This record gives sequence, structure tokens and C-alpha cells, in this order.
Amino acid sequence: QVQLQEAGPGLVKPSETLSLTCTVSGGSISTYYWSWIRQPPGKGLEWIGYIFYTGSTNYNPSLKSRVTISLDTSNNQFSLNLNSVTAADTAVYYCARLHFWSGYQEFDPWGQGTLVTVSS
Amino acid sequence: EIVLTQSPAFQSVTPKEKVTITCRASQSIGSSLHWYQQKPDQSPKLLIKYVSQSISGVPSRFSGSGSGTDFTLTINSLEAEDAAAYYCHQSSSLPLTFGGGTKVEIK
Repeated sequence: QVQLQEAGPGLVKPSETLSLTCTVSGGSISTYYWSWIRQPPGKGLEWIGYIFYTGSTNYNPSLKSRVTISLDTSNNQFSLNLNSVTAADTAVYYCARLHFWSGYQEFDPWGQGTLVTVSS
Repeated sequence: EIVLTQSPAFQSVTPKEKVTITCRASQSIGSSLHWYQQKPDQSPKLLIKYVSQSISGVPSRFSGSGSGTDFTLTINSLEAEDAAAYYCHQSSSLPLTFGGGTKVEIK
């Protein structure tokens, strides 16, 4: 079965770029939509964006100016870059598979999540 | 953007009791509504998709209903392992959004 695992620095300085990678195992990344979702400590879930295996992307308008999601099919990975970070970007970041069939569907499965703290 | 409003935000429940969580959408989303369970220090897990479709491995005491703008997650005969936060999610239109969550505590 498909499993996802996030990786990246746990601490990022303000104004710098947050970079995370999600490795997909147990299946090919060359199908489905792949998403990033975040959760500030003690708060709810926020969808960041997705990438399709063709490379097409869609981002949450609230983050669109600062976000880039990219794909590395040779390593079965996709990545998140979020620039100009502030303390408000401190959160657990999850990667997840977004199902699609004549429309967007559910997120399943999810990675275990990685906490990124923005602090000097 | 479609806003999902969950209620209650917190519920303290006795084992074997029935739990009802509601999710109201700011506009009609048809049946594009899914539920997730998030236990402490874990990632969210898909519980129910498309309002009422069951997921393999999820206990049958979890069920969903509703359509349009009003949806309900029901837990029949709550068990201790059901202590968690529950989130609804709409996939009807972008941006994809989640409800604010409902935390269920076991008395």
C-alpha cells in the first residue's frame, strides 16, 4: 500500500524559505494528485496546494504568492517551497494523496507529518 | 471559498454514548464531503468519504449523512479509542477546505 514520508529542516529562520520533500513508497507518483496540508499547533487543517503527475499545480490563494510545489518522478518525490516565512508559518506539514475521479475527492493516505518552527 | 462550520468544537462524552457532530457548508457542496479522525500526535485518517461511504478498516459505529449544506458524523456507542479530533473536508471546489474540528473527549 502507498505510504508517504515528509522530510526537511525542523527550524527555519524568518524571511527564509521552508523546503520539504515527500517520498512516496509502495506506488508510483506518476498518477494521482499530490498535496501539502498544514496544521499550526493546536489549530485546524489548511490545504496548501497540489501537483498532478503532469506537473500542473493549484495553490490556496491565501499562500499562492509564496508557494511552489514541484515533482521529482525519478525519485518518486514531490516537494514544497514556501518563501518569506514568518512565525505564522510554524506548523506540522503533511503530505497526502488527493484522489480524483471526475472531480476532487478525499485525501488518503497522509504522511506522519513534520513540525517546522519558524524562529531566529 | 467554501467555509465549513463544525459544531460543537468540543464534546465530553461517556463511553457507549452516541456522538453527533455537524458540519455546515457556506454553500451547497452536493455530496463532496469527507470526514477524518485525528488522534493525539497522529496524522489525520480518512473515516468516511462522500458523506456516507464507509472506509475499509473503519468500525461500523461510524456513519455519515446529509447533503447540500448540512452534514452529520455519528459515532454510535462511543469507545475509549474514539478520543480524537474530527474534521470535515469539502472537495466540491477550490480551494479545498476543512472544518475547524471537533474534539471528542472521553469522560
